[in-house]
Amino acid sequence: DAGVTQSPTHLIKTRGQQVTLRCSPKSGHDTVSWYQQALGQGPQFIFQYYEEEERQRGNFPDRFSGHQFPNYSSELNVNALLLGDSALYLCASSYTGTGPYEQYFGPGTRLTVT
Amino acid sequence: GDSVTQMEGPVTLSEEAFLTINCTYTATGYPSLFWYVQYPGEGLQLLLKATKADDKGSNKGFEATYRKETTSFHLEKGSVQVSDSAVYFCALSRGSSASKIIFGSGTRLSIRP
Repeated sequence: DAGVTQSPTHLIKTRGQQVTLRCSPKSGHDTVSWYQQALGQGPQFIFQYYEEEERQRGNFPDRFSGHQFPNYSSELNVNALLLGDSALYLCASSYTGTGPYEQYFGPGTRLTVT
Repeated sequence: GDSVTQMEGPVTLSEEAFLTINCTYTATGYPSLFWYVQYPGEGLQLLLKATKADDKGSNKGFEATYRKETTSFHLEKGSVQVSDSAVYFCALSRGSSASKIIFGSGTRLSIRP
């Protein structure tokens, strides 16, 4: 059973460009959350998708947007990239339901903005 | 708002030493508390968790007890190994297991042979 997968592994972009990151959740999971982890910091919650809708959102500007597909996979889009967007972007999947279900994290996409 | 404060690193210990990484939180009510570990080049892995006051989470020789009176969730291990070298994050979340997770800034642990 494959865990959470993310693509690409690494990405280099220029300021002002747009980027799309992808995430496939663990089998059986229906909820995807995205986190930004700057170098030397803990992950910061960006937003969460469930049933193809944004359910929760952290303190990130509208330049950050996302999408969830019917197969539960998800994309994170960032427009008008800034140098400060350079970070490791983590995707986590989980199952929304009663019970102590764990969020499983993918290996991340390392984005460098130059 | 909710927040997590953890001991700054890096922490360097010799193999078989005793480990404590301090973590305190700010939150109303009874959040769930977690320790995550990030090995070099890998994603975050849940190490242990506790969902109510006085619960003790444990895994792989690591332990942490949910202390409501001191709003703390310190991570301990009696005898560390070189393979424990990693970055450790204390975290909390509310509500269901699908709720957003709030992380501390992480503590880098290095173990000398």
